[in-house]
Amino acid sequence: DTGVSQDPRHKITKRGQNVTFRCDPISEHNRLYWYRQTLGQGPEFLTYFQNEAQLEKSRLLSDRFSAERPKGSFSTLEIQRTEQGDSAMYLCASSLTPGPQFFGPGTRLTVL
Amino acid sequence: GENVEQHPSTLSVQEGDSAVIKCTYSDSASNYFPWYKQELGKGPQLIIDIRSNVGEKKDQRIAVTLNKTAKHFSLHITETQPEDSAVYFCAASIANSGYALNFGKGTSLLVTP
Repeated sequence: DTGVSQDPRHKITKRGQNVTFRCDPISEHNRLYWYRQTLGQGPEFLTYFQNEAQLEKSRLLSDRFSAERPKGSFSTLEIQRTEQGDSAMYLCASSLTPGPQFFGPGTRLTVL
Repeated sequence: GENVEQHPSTLSVQEGDSAVIKCTYSDSASNYFPWYKQELGKGPQLIIDIRSNVGEKKDQRIAVTLNKTAKHFSLHITETQPEDSAVYFCAASIANSGYALNFGKGTSLLVTP
C-alpha cells in the first residue's frame, strides 16, 4: 500500500498524559499537513510542512502541541498534558507541490 | 480567514436519482476547491477537485461546477448508488497559504435502494 499511513489508529489516554502520533506520507510527497476532526465537523487545519520546514501553524495549535518532520519524510505530532477537549480524530495528508492532498486513515484520540 | 458553508447537512435520495451539494466561500482569493468523501472510521478520500480557472469538471458520474462571481461551487452525483452513501465535504484553499484546506461541515448522503 503506497498511501498515507498513520500510527496508532486509536489511542486512549488519561488527562494530563503526553501522546505522540506518527504519519508516513506518500513517497516523494514534499508537503505534509495535519488536521483535527471532531464529531460531526469537517477537518480543521493545524499545521503543514514543506520538506522539513514547518511553514504555517493554525491558531488552533496551542503551546501544548508540537509537530516535527525531521528528515522531510515522516512526521510526528505530540500533545503534552492532554485535556478532554483534545479528543478528536487527527488526520495527516500529503501532497506534491502543487497538487491535491491525500489523507491517511487518521488517529482517533480519546482523553479520559 | 476563509469561511466555507455547506448545504444541506443531510440528503436522502433514491438509488438512480441525482444528488446535489452546494458550498459557498468567503475569500475571493481562494482558487482551489476539492471535494472529499468520508466513510465511517476512514480518512477523507478525494473524489474530484477544480481550480478557479475552470468553470466545470466531470469525472464519470461526478461533476463539480464553480461560480467565482457568486463564490459558490457544487457537487453533482448522477445515477446514485447505495455505495455513494457517505459524508461529503467541500473545501477551499489559497495557493499562498500553502493550500491549507478550509472545510465545510459536511453533508451526510444516504442513497436508498
